Amino acid sequence: QSVLTQPPSVSAAPGQKVTVSCSGGRSNIGSSFVSWYQQLPGTAPKLLISEDYKRFSGIPDRFSGSKSGTSATLGITGLQSGDEADYYCATWDNVLDALVFGGGTKLTVL
Amino acid sequence: QLQLQESGPGLVKPSETLSLTCTVSGDSISSSYWYWGWIRQPPGKGLEWITTINNSWKTYYNPALKSRVTISVDTSQNQFSLTLSPVIAADTAVYYCARQSSGLGSFHDYWGQGIMVTISS
Repeated sequence: QSVLTQPPSVSAAPGQKVTVSCSGGRSNIGSSFVSWYQQLPGTAPKLLISEDYKRFSGIPDRFSGSKSGTSATLGITGLQSGDEADYYCATWDNVLDALVFGGGTKLTVL
Repeated sequence: QLQLQESGPGLVKPSETLSLTCTVSGDSISSSYWYWGWIRQPPGKGLEWITTINNSWKTYYNPALKSRVTISVDTSQNQFSLTLSPVIAADTAVYYCARQSSGLGSFHDYWGQGIMVTISS
């Protein structure tokens, strides 16, 4: 069980917007930057967002990141079938002294 | 273009030692800013950070695995390696190497394709 809590699944229709939440605590999200990863089936994770909100090189502006207190959110607008993937949040936990990942959220584009 | 490539055995017996190597091309592993790390993913499950080595060769380990894990660097080959011993069935996973930024909440920006390792007799 991860210290970062994500919903197991989210879904939305093509063209719509979806958000993925990542809830933690003061020792992790509350005191460190959050990053987000997309993992397409059978492939390695790919960095989408670093340092809470910075899009990685080549990532379209349909993807956005935000953080408030001990929670972070990944937003995806203009959903496409190619966005169907697992999404993970990650940050450093200074009590565990470890880098921690959320449990992952499976996005289905209806 | 930075590339990372994992190599090692695909099958290891329980209680033995797993050794994996990550070969880096397109960047020097001695680069002053970047760290290097390993992450794994059991079949059908989420990502788990294993270990990181920084640019001063200081090491960081997942507390749950610390007693069994070692990370090391070979600058002459531009490689870094993971050793896990002794292995158990629960260590069956895809193992990824990745470049990691420094600082709090650091991120992994480039990943290898991953190598599937099965622990079985």
